[in-house]
Amino acid sequence: AQTVTQSQPEMSVQEAETVTLSCTYDTSESDYYLFWYKQPPSRQMILVIRQEAYKQQNATENRFSVNFQKAAKSFSLKISDSQLGDAAMYFCAYRNQGGSEKLVFGKGMKLTVNP
Amino acid sequence: DAMVIQNPRYQVTQFGKPVTLSCSQTLNHNVMYWYQQKSSQAPKLLFHYYDKDFNNEADTPDNFQSRRPNTSFCFLDIRSPGLGDAAMYLCATSRERLAGSEQFFGPGTRLTVL
Repeated sequence: AQTVTQSQPEMSVQEAETVTLSCTYDTSESDYYLFWYKQPPSRQMILVIRQEAYKQQNATENRFSVNFQKAAKSFSLKISDSQLGDAAMYFCAYRNQGGSEKLVFGKGMKLTVNP
Repeated sequence: DAMVIQNPRYQVTQFGKPVTLSCSQTLNHNVMYWYQQKSSQAPKLLFHYYDKDFNNEADTPDNFQSRRPNTSFCFLDIRSPGLGDAAMYLCATSRERLAGSEQFFGPGTRLTVL
């Protein structure tokens, strides 16, 4: 079974600075998707960024980018120019390309942004 | 522009008293999911509907049931809630059941069992 590990339960960053959230996963599959979801306090979870395993180029979405290391099974999220609105729980998630449709989440990491 | 709506946001029930949580969507998505998220834990998929086709996860207790009377609505029924069922319940939708499909989440219903 696939597993997703977020080893840091909490992090903090100063406003306008850069922070990197780590995620590792375990799978024997070669084709899959990886996601970062953000869950602000008392608000719904939203997709931040996604990466298909077959694409070598790292995904970017404005201030958010990933460092996808397939061989190392690592998928970190970099947030540049951090803003107060970035404060949230961040979940790393994995999903197989075929077979099970289940989205497997990590335990999440709480990001605090200090003004 | 509410897209995935969950009612109620907070639900208190008594041990053993059946409870129903509601989810509706304005996205016209084919797939609807129910997740259970306990404090400081990852969301855990309970089941999902692909159109009218119900798909239960192998480790979902029989105490949990679901209904999807139409495209827009999906219900989570807990027949006899136990203290261990206290959690946040998240509803999500996606257009298709493809691996790369974005899931759109509702705000969740926090269930308390007394």
